[in-house]
Amino acid sequence: SAVISQKPSRDICQRGTSLTIQCQVDSQVTMMFWYRQQPGQSLTLIATANQGSEATYESGFVIDKFPISRPNLTFSTLTVSNMSPEDSSIYLCSTMTGRYTEAFFGQGTRLTVV
Amino acid sequence: DAKTTQPNSMESNEEEPVHLPCNHSTISGTDYIHWYRQLPSQGPEYVIHGLTSNVNNRMASLAIAEDRKSSTLILHRATLRDAAVYYCILRGNVYNTDKLIFGTGTRLQVFP
Repeated sequence: SAVISQKPSRDICQRGTSLTIQCQVDSQVTMMFWYRQQPGQSLTLIATANQGSEATYESGFVIDKFPISRPNLTFSTLTVSNMSPEDSSIYLCSTMTGRYTEAFFGQGTRLTVV
Repeated sequence: DAKTTQPNSMESNEEEPVHLPCNHSTISGTDYIHWYRQLPSQGPEYVIHGLTSNVNNRMASLAIAEDRKSSTLILHRATLRDAAVYYCILRGNVYNTDKLIFGTGTRLQVFP
């Protein structure tokens, strides 16, 4: 299993600013993912955070808006840049401890942009 | 990505069995069927998964059709704590597609 800690749990930010969300896993993992969940909606995959290389972004998400770091096998950050009210969502970190195994999710970061 | 179709919502009474259906007519031979649920104000949690045979664990049972084009998650005795959004997801076993793509899910309401 894997336990994921996300920081901050929530924040209220001014438009035009940036917020960096941290994701810490209690064990070394190969795969880490970042999701966005807009109000009342399902989860949308933003990107796969690759250790030692650039993140792999899903269609509709770009590195300039959502830069991701993955410095080691237990930690990743997602930055939401130049925020607008449309970025108000819950952002979730996820991991799998290996292929064919279950995924684990953090509790999420609830972001409100005003 | 192979798609799944689920009803938007379902209702159940406490202590009754619940059968949550999922259609996945375009499933490939190597896709696993995964179920996750999201309780209010929490991240999703794993429920169960299977490939071809029916599966049981402490949380639920997964019944998979013989042609694999549909599956049913069975909660044997619903409790109030089972009220959540349930997601049926197809997951490939190829490394570069080993990611979870969520559909709209089924919102389960459980009444006392």
